[in-house]
Amino acid sequence: ETGVTQTPRHLVMGMTNKKSLKCEQHLGHNAMYWYKQSAKKPLELMFVYNFKEQTENNSVPSRFSPECPNSSHLFLHLHTLQPEDSALYLCASSEVDRGNEKLFFGSGTQLSVL
Amino acid sequence: RKEVEQDPGPFNVPEGATVAFNCTYSNSASQSFFWYRQDCRKEPKLLMSVYSSGNEDGRFTAQLNRASQYISLLIRDSKLSDSATYLCVVNNHDYKLSFGAGTTVTVRA
Repeated sequence: ETGVTQTPRHLVMGMTNKKSLKCEQHLGHNAMYWYKQSAKKPLELMFVYNFKEQTENNSVPSRFSPECPNSSHLFLHLHTLQPEDSALYLCASSEVDRGNEKLFFGSGTQLSVL
Repeated sequence: RKEVEQDPGPFNVPEGATVAFNCTYSNSASQSFFWYRQDCRKEPKLLMSVYSSGNEDGRFTAQLNRASQYISLLIRDSKLSDSATYLCVVNNHDYKLSFGAGTTVTVRA
């Protein structure tokens, strides 16, 4: 069983659809993250949850809505997305250790918005 | 200025060669540093942390130069399986890890 599992692996959606990405970590970590990776660009931090509390929201448009029901599960709800939102969305987890966070990533969801 | 900058490459090297590349960071207060490896269409995976005294893990050597604000990665005796994009990651504050865009290395037979 991999440490961080993410579903679905691929997603194609229209601009009017609503979909959700799911992430589950089996590592006993207390922080979970959503990152966006566009081609040839650095990973962009979207959201951070630490002990289920959202501690970071990097000016992400409201069409992306995170949910963290417990320290092992993380969702990203998507609605009325734009074609420029097409990217690889990565979930990650870490054990909070100030200044030494090591991230463990899920396999990502390759999202295409038509 | 970008928080973390990397030469995108690609660095094309023959098997057995040594390849090295740097990453510069802008925040002098950065606390910790890492190299991640990302294969094509896969997730990033931690390769190694970078310590002030420099550290080695098999064929991989990482160095930190705080005065000049850069870290480096050196790969000795390159293998075909080393072909990947190497991401430089800097921890500036709490959970805010800043990623470079990556350096692509291609090892050819």
